[in-house]
Amino acid sequence: DQQVKQNSPSLSVQEGRISILNCDYTNSMFDYFLWYKKYPAEGPTFLISISSIKDKNEDGRFTVFLNKSAKHLSLHIVPSQPGDSAVYFCAASGKGGSEKLVFGKGTKLTVNP
Amino acid sequence: DARVTQTPRHKVTEMGQEVTMRCQPILGHNTVFWYRQTMMQGLELLAYFRNRAPLDDSGMPKDRFSAEMPDATLATLKIQPSEPRDSAVYFCASVLSHLNTEAFFGQGTRLTVV
Repeated sequence: DQQVKQNSPSLSVQEGRISILNCDYTNSMFDYFLWYKKYPAEGPTFLISISSIKDKNEDGRFTVFLNKSAKHLSLHIVPSQPGDSAVYFCAASGKGGSEKLVFGKGTKLTVNP
Repeated sequence: DARVTQTPRHKVTEMGQEVTMRCQPILGHNTVFWYRQTMMQGLELLAYFRNRAPLDDSGMPKDRFSAEMPDATLATLKIQPSEPRDSAVYFCASVLSHLNTEAFFGQGTRLTVV
């Protein structure tokens, strides 16, 4: 039973365009959500997070949107750059982030020059 | 430069052998996670500890896997006996467990069981 779902295994976009990565969750107890980026042969690195009390969080080119009623979040990257090519994992936690992190299966983003 | 350190980075072993993976969490972090990455399952949580006490190990095959924290600076994940289906990348992550903080991951141990 997957509590965090990333339904698109891969996404390909052109440099300079917007990348939109999607994530759905089923557990209504989740109240803290994170995106991690992973390059080959490296560990995942934190990208951006959002608490359930917000519906948007922005950090430079990266914006995360949270729709609690739909149990859906998305990561927008604008403009996309070739260096953004990586696997992106969505993760969720309860109790403000103090509980275990549950990850989706990841979406491989390829940004073409 | 605070980071999570995992050893070894790569391990090739024969089926039936014992494998021990080690993790040094970031100093001061009180929560440690063990994850396994496979193509099919993504990042699966195997076990996690807070203040060295195991909180959840429901993701681990109990008959062959064990996880411990002998002290605050060392977490271990042991597989005995190892099987080919255990081949994966194993990640350790640590976090200072309070509101709105992110977990930091090590570079992983790539395990191949032949």
